[in-house]
Amino acid sequence: DIQMTQSPSSLSASVGDRVTITCRASQSISNYLNWYQQKPGKAPKLLIYAASSLQSGVPSRLSGSGSGTDFTLTISSLQPEDFATYYCQQSHTTPWTFGQGTKVEIK
Amino acid sequence: EVQLVESGGGLVQPGGSLRLSCAASGFTFSRYWMSWVRQAPGKGLEWLANIKQDESEKYYVDSVKGRFTISRDNAQNSLYLQMNSLRAEDTAIYYCARDPRNYYGSGSYGLGFDYWGQGTLVTVSS
Repeated sequence: DIQMTQSPSSLSASVGDRVTITCRASQSISNYLNWYQQKPGKAPKLLIYAASSLQSGVPSRLSGSGSGTDFTLTISSLQPEDFATYYCQQSHTTPWTFGQGTKVEIK
Repeated sequence: EVQLVESGGGLVQPGGSLRLSCAASGFTFSRYWMSWVRQAPGKGLEWLANIKQDESEKYYVDSVKGRFTISRDNAQNSLYLQMNSLRAEDTAIYYCARDPRNYYGSGSYGLGFDYWGQGTLVTVSS
C-alpha cells in the first residue's frame, strides 16, 4: 500500500498568515493527490484534486502543487473559516490512502 | 443538487452484522464509481471500498476484506455496505462518497471524493 505522510501534524497560525502543509507519498503517484478540509462534526470537503486543480467553489487563496512523491497545500492568507483539519489522499493505486491529517489552529 | 444520505448505522455486538445504505440524488448515479470511507472517533480518514458503475470491479482495504461487501442498485440510486463479523475497531462514522475518475485505456485514476454524505455512526460494543 502507498503510505501518505503529512507534516506538520498540527500548526498554530494567525489570520492573514501564509500556511503550507506538505504531503509525501511512499512511491510515485504522478499527480493523483487530493486535499480535503474537515471541520468538527462535518464530512470532509474536497478542496483540490489532481494535485493542483481547485474544486468548484473553493477560494483561490488555496492552492496545491507537486508531482511524483512530494506535494504541498498552501493557504496564502489564512481566514477564520480555514481553521480545520486538512487531509491529503492518493487516488493513483487502490487501496486509496489518506495522510494522518494536519490540524490548523488559531494562534 | 447532489445529495448522499447514509442510513443503517447503530449499536451492534462484536461478531454481529449491519447493512449500511446510501441514497443518492441530484446526479446520474449509474455513471459514477462510489466509495465508502470511515473515521474512528478522534482519528483520521480510512478508505474502505469502492465499486464500479456496473459492479464489475470492487476493491477493498485489507482490514475489511472478506468481512465487508460493497454493492449498488442503480435502479434505486443506492449504494450499500454489508458488514459482517464486526469488531470493536470497526466503530466509526461511515461515509459514502462519489468517486469520479480520469480514464485511461482499461483503467482509471481517482479525482478525489467530490461529494460526501453526512455519515452514519456504527458502534460495535457489548
